[in-house]
Amino acid sequence: GAGVSQTPSNKVTEKGKYVELRCDPISGHTALYWYRQSLGQGPEFLIYFQGTGAADDSGLPNDRFFAVRPEGSVSTLKIQRTERGDSAVYLCASSLQAGSGMREQFFGPGTRLTVL
Amino acid sequence: DAKTTQPPSMDCAEGRAANLPCNHSTISGNEYVYWYRQIHSQGPQYIIHGLKNNETNEMASLIITEDRKSSTLILPHATLRDTAVYYCIAQDGNTPLVFGKGTRLSVIA
Repeated sequence: GAGVSQTPSNKVTEKGKYVELRCDPISGHTALYWYRQSLGQGPEFLIYFQGTGAADDSGLPNDRFFAVRPEGSVSTLKIQRTERGDSAVYLCASSLQAGSGMREQFFGPGTRLTVL
Repeated sequence: DAKTTQPPSMDCAEGRAANLPCNHSTISGNEYVYWYRQIHSQGPQYIIHGLKNNETNEMASLIITEDRKSSTLILPHATLRDTAVYYCIAQDGNTPLVFGKGTRLSVIA
């Protein structure tokens, strides 16, 4: 079946602009995660949703970053007033559910954001 | 910070077993050991997980020491396609994954 998809695959923007990154999780997965990965580093957690609500947004670096998942499926990560330091690969993952026990996360291919 | 430590890089000859170590000396009783890998320009991919017992699936085997302070991921017959960064993660099922820098495995022909 279809995996996690992310669009766009690449985004180049100018400092100060607004960007939206989209994630389509695997159908039926209630948990959705956003991570970002800088060159040479492992992925870093940003936010996770259980259904429509953000269950943990402690990884968002500042209030320029915001994410929504209005219908409990597709999610959009929004970055306002982009800065060069926001350049990274933004990864989305989904799993059947959060909660007790191990839940394998399925990752999308990521969106490479470059802020000039 | 990641709760695990891994060597930054390893080499393995094609066709031989790749043994990737991981230390997780502060692991708590309800935390699993997960392994993911990330092939260049792709998202991470789940490999295997375990709590106390050794585990095996079609991709790999996971050996966890009796005191649970360390583990080893074994790829029994490494191929060039196994070249990737391998991440060992210790966490319970309620929290997002905390990745360290992982081990960069290079499989050499």
